[in-house]
Amino acid sequence: DAGVIQSPRHEVTEMGQEVTLRCKPISGHNSLFWYRQTMMRGLELLIYFNNNVPIDDSGMPEDRFSAKMPNASFSTLKIQPSEPRDSAVYFCASSSGTATTNYGYTFGSGTRLTVV
Amino acid sequence: QKEVEQDPGPLSVPEGAIVSLNCTYSNSAFQYFMWYRQYSRKGPELLMYTYSSGNKEDGRFTAQVDKSSKYISLFIRDSQPSDSATYLCGLTAGGFKTIFGAGTRLFVKA
Repeated sequence: DAGVIQSPRHEVTEMGQEVTLRCKPISGHNSLFWYRQTMMRGLELLIYFNNNVPIDDSGMPEDRFSAKMPNASFSTLKIQPSEPRDSAVYFCASSSGTATTNYGYTFGSGTRLTVV
Repeated sequence: QKEVEQDPGPLSVPEGAIVSLNCTYSNSAFQYFMWYRQYSRKGPELLMYTYSSGNKEDGRFTAQVDKSSKYISLFIRDSQPSDSATYLCGLTAGGFKTIFGAGTRLFVKA
């Protein structure tokens, strides 16, 4: 398996533009997570899905952020409009955990977003 | 107070030293305790996983969980320059959601 695949690896955009980050989880994993990592705040959970259904989006900072998982092999995180404070590394992770067990995540390589 | 506290370091040790990395937590509901290693400009990778209390050993790495003290540790024996990375603890109360510590930056000098 190629692991969790994220694209793009780097994104530089101007303030106000729409940004879409993409993720392909590991085949067979039923949970998908979007995290954001900054020096100041560390790794923050934005949203997670189980069996393609959003379970908890309480970490999504504002309405400018939205996430979808139309099928088991694809998810997107969209920021519209983007702001400089959104600059961070965004990680997607997947796992085969359940509601009562967690055997750890497999993370992608991340998307480094810079909003200027 | 954060749910998970971890000293960000940096921690610098000579090659061959024993390294001790730690996290404390406040939520007694945490049951799954994990350590991830993150190299620069890479995603975190799962290193060790422990359920409930006790010790777990994997090669040069040992994970310890003390639920009574709400304290978890990762020990690295015979540390190598290739161990230089950021180490994050991750805790789960059950199921899907993992809360991460801030990460400790470790430098092992040759």
